[in-house]
Amino acid sequence: AQSVAQPEDQVNVAEGNPLTVKCTYSVSGNPYLFWYVQYPNRGLQFLLKYITGDNLVKGSYGFEAEFNKSQTSFHLKKPSALVSDSALYFCAVRDRKNTGTASKLTFGTGTRLQVTL
Amino acid sequence: DTEVTQTPKHLVMGMTNKKSLKCEQHMGHRAMYWYKQKAKKPPELMFVYSYEKLSINESVPSRFSPECPNSSLLNLHLHALQPEDSALYLCASSKGLAGGPGDTQYFGPGTRLTVL
Repeated sequence: AQSVAQPEDQVNVAEGNPLTVKCTYSVSGNPYLFWYVQYPNRGLQFLLKYITGDNLVKGSYGFEAEFNKSQTSFHLKKPSALVSDSALYFCAVRDRKNTGTASKLTFGTGTRLQVTL
Repeated sequence: DTEVTQTPKHLVMGMTNKKSLKCEQHMGHRAMYWYKQKAKKPPELMFVYSYEKLSINESVPSRFSPECPNSSLLNLHLHALQPEDSALYLCASSKGLAGGPGDTQYFGPGTRLTVL
């Protein structure tokens, strides 16, 4: 079984400050990890993913995420937050052992990021 | 281009109506997905089509009927829905087998469904 935890329902940060959105995962094997962002009344937009290799993954709009196997975490980060980053962020995981013909993701409960001036 | 389109954007229907949601992608993806999302909740997987064949049905009630007419199109036929079925319905696509295990799903904007 695979699962994802996003421990914070909401994260508040001032514009220009660094932001972190936390994600921890549980899989029986090794994970593939994803971050998506959802703006109000919109679909999910892919930000970045970890497959293998470098633990620091860079994605769209200046976001990056750090894979930490020992802590089973994949926290999303950005050095300088923008008001326009305010949205709902979802972490998702797929177990490498899940070798079905289509990728079945498990999503976390989501974290609302609020960036203020 | 990573665009998945969905129509209509909004749909209001009665419990006795029959309606359909449509999803289209032209990225050559061979896996397509339907998700249901309630407000402030994560998407819940409903169906997966792989190479135009139903691959996964997450025990969805029969009042939801998916159809994949070709590799670019995915429909969700709705009949005799209940008010609790009101939600945002998201379509997604991915390369499928060609994308490998780390295959990325790309989502459409969704259809906001209200059942009266």
